[in-house]
Amino acid sequence: EVQLVETGGGLVQPGRSLKLSCVASGFTFNNYWMSWTRQAPGKGLEWVASITNSGGSTYYPDSVKGRFTISRDNAQNTLYLQMNSLRSEDTATYYCTRGATSFAYWGQGTLVTVSS
Amino acid sequence: DVVMTQTPVSLSVSLGGQVSISCRSSQSLVHNNGNTYLSWYLQKPGQSPQLLIYKVSNRFSGISDRFSGSGSGTDFTLKISRVEPDDLGVYYCGQGTQYPLTFGSGTKLEIK
Repeated sequence: EVQLVETGGGLVQPGRSLKLSCVASGFTFNNYWMSWTRQAPGKGLEWVASITNSGGSTYYPDSVKGRFTISRDNAQNTLYLQMNSLRSEDTATYYCTRGATSFAYWGQGTLVTVSS
Repeated sequence: DVVMTQTPVSLSVSLGGQVSISCRSSQSLVHNNGNTYLSWYLQKPGQSPQLLIYKVSNRFSGISDRFSGSGSGTDFTLKISRVEPDDLGVYYCGQGTQYPLTFGSGTKLEIK
C-alpha cells in the first residue's frame, strides 16, 4: 500500500523558515517524480514544486520560486520542502504527492500557518 | 500560464442520476510527446484529494467505471453515472502538460 506521511507543519512568523518532510512507503521511491501541492483554507489546489526521480531537476511556480526548495533523499525515501521568507499567503495545507503530470497519491497533508 | 476553467461551480443531483462537469483550458494540453495530461480529482469532505482520471480518459486504479473522462485539445468533460452518496465532494481538473501546473477552481457536487 502506497503511503505518504507529511510532517513539519505548524505556526511560523512571517519572514521565517520551515522545512516539511514526507516519508514514502509502498513503492520504489526513486522511480518516481514527486511534488508538493497546497490548499489554502477553504480554497482550491495550487501546485508548489516538483522534482525528478533522481533529484537532478526541480520546477516551481513564480509564487514560490526563489523562496521554496524541493529536495529528496532516495536512500531514506523522503521528500522535503524547505520554505524560506514565508508570507501570510503561504498559509495552507501542504500535500506530498506522487507524480508530476498527474498526482496519483496524496498524503494526509500538514498545515502551515504563517502569522505573527 | 494555462488557465483551467471549470463549470459549473456547483451542482445538485439525485441518487442514481448522471452529471457532467466541464473543464476548459486556455491553451492546448497536447504535450510535445503527443500525450494530453489532463486529470480529474475528487476531494471528499475532510479528506485529501484522490486521483480519478489521468490522461483525459484513463481511470486510476480502483476507480469505478461510473466515472468517465473525455475530450481533447482544450475541452474536457468528466461524467459520473449512477451517482452514489459517496460521490459528493469537490471535483478538480488539473493539467500536467505545461509548467506551472494548474488546477481548475473546483465543482462542488451535492446530493439531493
